[in-house]
Amino acid sequence: DGGITQSPKYLFRKEGQNVTLSCEQNLNHDAMYWYRQDPGQGLRLIYYSQIVNDFQKGDIAEGYSVSREKKESFPLTVTSAQKNPTAFYLCASSIISSSGANVLTFGAGSRLTVL
Amino acid sequence: AQKVTQAQTEISVVEKEDVTLDCVYETRDTTYYLFWYKQPPSGELVFLIRRNSFDEQNEISGRYSWNFQKSTSSFNFTITASQVVDSAVYFCALSESLSYGGSQGNLIFGKGTKLSVKP
Repeated sequence: DGGITQSPKYLFRKEGQNVTLSCEQNLNHDAMYWYRQDPGQGLRLIYYSQIVNDFQKGDIAEGYSVSREKKESFPLTVTSAQKNPTAFYLCASSIISSSGANVLTFGAGSRLTVL
Repeated sequence: AQKVTQAQTEISVVEKEDVTLDCVYETRDTTYYLFWYKQPPSGELVFLIRRNSFDEQNEISGRYSWNFQKSTSSFNFTITASQVVDSAVYFCALSESLSYGGSQGNLIFGKGTKLSVKP
């Protein structure tokens, strides 16, 4: 079955440490996205990528980095520069449309807790 | 600026009741898209519907229906005869057109409405 796999599901880190969240899709989608969700809040876009080796900042990119070396993979690194990294992180993918109003397919998320 | 407001933070109903989730949006764009997603306890968001700003017809899909009214900038979602499996957080989202500064996949989400359906 096609879908998006995120790992790990739960992650704990100490302050000052970088951590990388994995996102893999087998839907043959060109576009991939990272969103952040805080309790009682909507989702906010961190980064997105429409093609291999290219990506754009979203609304809250500071303290995060990404790479897109393969079409299927879009890992997110939460760096020590991110002031409030504890959150639920959701990866998504989609086809690319002329309208930009893409239907996103989401993974099950990764919950990061900074101790 | 674009904004999505879901004023109902939490709603609790008893099974078989009808329930309406409200969504009010703000945008200066004339071409935009509205979405509803469901987030069950497992965490992943599940797409329910996408509607563009030129299509004001109401939509019905089984027990789900959506009422889009441009005059009041609302896109409300009704579940008829609710079931326990409907318990989830529901998000309304807005996407502006690329020509108006929107970007691929950058949805503006509301804060969500947590629906609890009790047996």
